[in-house]
Amino acid sequence: DQQVKQNSPSLSVQEGRISILNCDYTNSMFDYFLWYKKYPAEGPTFLISISSIKDKNEDGRFTVFLNKSAKHLSLHIVPSQPGDSAVYFCAASGGNDMRFGAGTRLTVKP
Amino acid sequence: KAGVTQTPRYLIKTRGQQVTLSCSPISGHRSVSWYQQTPGQGLQFLFEYFSETQRNKGNFPGRFSGRQFSNSRSEMNVSTLELGDSALYLCASSFLDSFTDTQYFGPGTRLTVL
Repeated sequence: DQQVKQNSPSLSVQEGRISILNCDYTNSMFDYFLWYKKYPAEGPTFLISISSIKDKNEDGRFTVFLNKSAKHLSLHIVPSQPGDSAVYFCAASGGNDMRFGAGTRLTVKP
Repeated sequence: KAGVTQTPRYLIKTRGQQVTLSCSPISGHRSVSWYQQTPGQGLQFLFEYFSETQRNKGNFPGRFSGRQFSNSRSEMNVSTLELGDSALYLCASSFLDSFTDTQYFGPGTRLTVL
């Protein structure tokens, strides 16, 4: 069962515009959420996280929003840069479980 | 400090064989987790080891096993390989708890089962 879903397998945006990547989860025990970025031939690298006591966390160009009632989180990248082109995974943990989404491939066009 | 290393990087096996993958965590990290990545499935959690003990386990059959040594290095073993086991296997280390600490991933081992 897919307890963490990223419904968009791919996203293409223009350089300088906003990229919004979405993630939905079903398990109400999840209380910690993370985003990872993965380039080809490399392991995922941590990007940003948020705990369930917050609804927003910001780090430079990256902001993660959490809507607990909707069991939805999103990652905003502003402004998007060509170097941001990668696969982005959301992850959720809690209740002795950790799940990842299937990933969204972001392409930022110059 | 050196990152997470995994060996080998690529492996080709045939059905029915067994395979052992190795992971060396970042120095000082005591938690090591293993993941399977297949197209369309994202990362699926296999298990987590801490202080030589399996602490958490994902939903994989018993053919998938692991262990951790006193220096925190970890190995993962898959017995009686099946075609569907072809995947990228990633290990990640974290300081204490893979579920709440930032995980640092290795480059992965690409396993192909023929």
